[in-house]
Amino acid sequence: DIQMTQSPSTLSASVGDRVTITCRASQSISSWLAWYQQKPGKAPKLLIYKASTLESGVPSRFSGSGSGTEFTLTISSLQPDDFATYYCQRYDSYSTFGQGTKVEIK
Amino acid sequence: EVQLVQSGAEVKKPGESLKISCKGSGYRFTSNWIGWVRQMPGKGLEWMGIIYPGDSDTRYSPSFQGQVTISADKSINTAYLQWSSLKASDTAMYYCARQLLRGVSHFDYWGQGTLVTVSS
Repeated sequence: DIQMTQSPSTLSASVGDRVTITCRASQSISSWLAWYQQKPGKAPKLLIYKASTLESGVPSRFSGSGSGTEFTLTISSLQPDDFATYYCQRYDSYSTFGQGTKVEIK
Repeated sequence: EVQLVQSGAEVKKPGESLKISCKGSGYRFTSNWIGWVRQMPGKGLEWMGIIYPGDSDTRYSPSFQGQVTISADKSINTAYLQWSSLKASDTAMYYCARQLLRGVSHFDYWGQGTLVTVSS
């Protein structure tokens, strides 16, 4: 069973900061990775799929990179609307999510 | 506009059965897989399984296989998640979501969630 390890679990940052979240797979998943943003009481929102493809309508300050076992989500300049929890999702034979990273105000 | 509208919140007792629904609109329902995702209170997302409404092909996470049943009625554009005997540990928010691609893939549209509370 492929395990997904997301880090950090919590991240404190300020508006304007560059933020990086990492997701590691215990085995190669090629580029079959997506990133989601979830705000309290709301459904998740797709940001990135196939490791680096930006979903339509998502601001360009969000970017994804990586392949194989290590992936990153980067927010180039954190905006007030970006304080939320972020999840990676691996999808190959079946799917699992990472544990989540809460981005909070420093 | 693609929409997934889920049924309302449920309060059930342990041992009871339950079927919650997810109605799709704004796209060809039979052409996209629909998945279910659990989120227990204060916890992360868990992928439960997916169904292709066109032919009812279904895939389950090993963690949920045998614990729930995923089904669909393509005549009314609706997918379902069903329990035969609820446990307190089934208390959670359940989301349905649409996949754009075939097989196991990412979700591009999500329902608003159905809160299931199981308590004696």
